[in-house]
Amino acid sequence: GAVVSQHPSRVICKSGTSVKIECRSLDFQATTMFWYRQFPKQSLMLMATSNEGSKATYEQGVEKDKFLINHASLTLSTLTVTSAHPEDSSFYICSARTQTPVVNYGYTFGSGTRLTVV
Amino acid sequence: GENVEQHPSTLSVQEGDSAVIKCTYSDSASNYFPWYKQELGKRPQLIIDIRSNVGEKKDQRIAVTLNKTAKHFSLHITETQPEDSAVYFCAASEEGNQFYFGTGTSLTVIP
Repeated sequence: GAVVSQHPSRVICKSGTSVKIECRSLDFQATTMFWYRQFPKQSLMLMATSNEGSKATYEQGVEKDKFLINHASLTLSTLTVTSAHPEDSSFYICSARTQTPVVNYGYTFGSGTRLTVV
Repeated sequence: GENVEQHPSTLSVQEGDSAVIKCTYSDSASNYFPWYKQELGKRPQLIIDIRSNVGEKKDQRIAVTLNKTAKHFSLHITETQPEDSAVYFCAASEEGNQFYFGTGTSLTVIP
């Protein structure tokens, strides 16, 4: 089945630095990637939707200059948390949509990245 | 945008009993409703989904019902087992688009 590889799984960074999270679709082409964040014991909140080759669409309240999303190829999307602060500490997870609906669309989640900003 | 509400937030059942989790959604354009099981620190795992052209779907001990008119859908787990203990999320989307997740239900199955 479709697999999305997400790296790193855990990262600890200092306040003020930037962190890049990668999601790669291993055996399919992901024209669309959704990025979510999840605070402890809370739900997954959609941050942005990225389409290959175009600018990401951000949800209301999500700072596009802080959470940079790049989807330069059909198999790779990245989320960069810039100038990270402790309140950015969270579980970030991507979800890729398969390119064409054979029968129906498919969605595959990455394994998530636990970001801790100290 | 879509707003998904989920109840209850916590649920404890005895092993062998049934568990029911309910969700409501607001956007009539939503036509795809997946349910995910998430264990601590792990990715959500799809357990069952339903599309708006059907009212019920069953897969072994798990079933989902959908009432489009009332905009609500429910997850039913029968003969619960301790390994069913996890956090369950419902979601709603217009097929092909982003998911909007419910707030989650922490299910505990007591042996």
